[in-house]
Amino acid sequence: GAVVSQHPSWVICKSGTSVKIECRSLDFQATTMFWYRQFPKQSLMLMATSNEGSKATYEQGVEKDKFLINHASLTLSTLTVTSAHPEDSSFYICSARERRGGYEQYFGPGTRLTVT
Amino acid sequence: DAKTTQPPSMDCAEGRAANLPCNHSTISGNEYVYWYRQIHSQGPQYIIHGLKNNETNEMASLIITEDRKSSTLILPHATLRDTAVYYCIALRGVSSNTGKLIFGQGTTLQVKP
Repeated sequence: GAVVSQHPSWVICKSGTSVKIECRSLDFQATTMFWYRQFPKQSLMLMATSNEGSKATYEQGVEKDKFLINHASLTLSTLTVTSAHPEDSSFYICSARERRGGYEQYFGPGTRLTVT
Repeated sequence: DAKTTQPPSMDCAEGRAANLPCNHSTISGNEYVYWYRQIHSQGPQYIIHGLKNNETNEMASLIITEDRKSSTLILPHATLRDTAVYYCIALRGVSSNTGKLIFGQGTTLQVKP
């Protein structure tokens, strides 16, 4: 099956700094990429949807100036958490959709962010 | 997209079939039923999806009732590695690039030796 990678797999940063997370579709071109966040013992929450070369569409309640999404190519999307605070500590998961007959959607392994 | 309802948790004995129910009584005619699972601290893994016919692949079978108001995911011979949270999602826009996978609370399946 199609593979989605994320880098880094985990990161620890200090409060007030920014962190960038990369999401790549390794063997397919992604028509759309998605970013999710998951707090401990909770389900995944969709943060935003992005198409290559377009501005991301953010879900209600997600601060677009805090969570910057860049979808520079059909295989790469980045999420930058700006001025991170401890409450931003979470598991961030990206997902990429491929056109294959219908549209198949695959998930990355996730990035664990800890803000100290 | 239609709301889905799943039991919060289930147990299954290793080697036995695991039958995970999902209720989607408000599903519309163009919404597919998708199943994903998430093993602890990993990204979700696609399992199977269907519209109205029963579906089977190497991982599982999906049985959808004739009125499409509910479905059952069947893992025929559960192993300890199948312990995970299983999510049932109703999704429109499969044949076009629309639709968003919105995850509910899912069912935590514990496979026991």
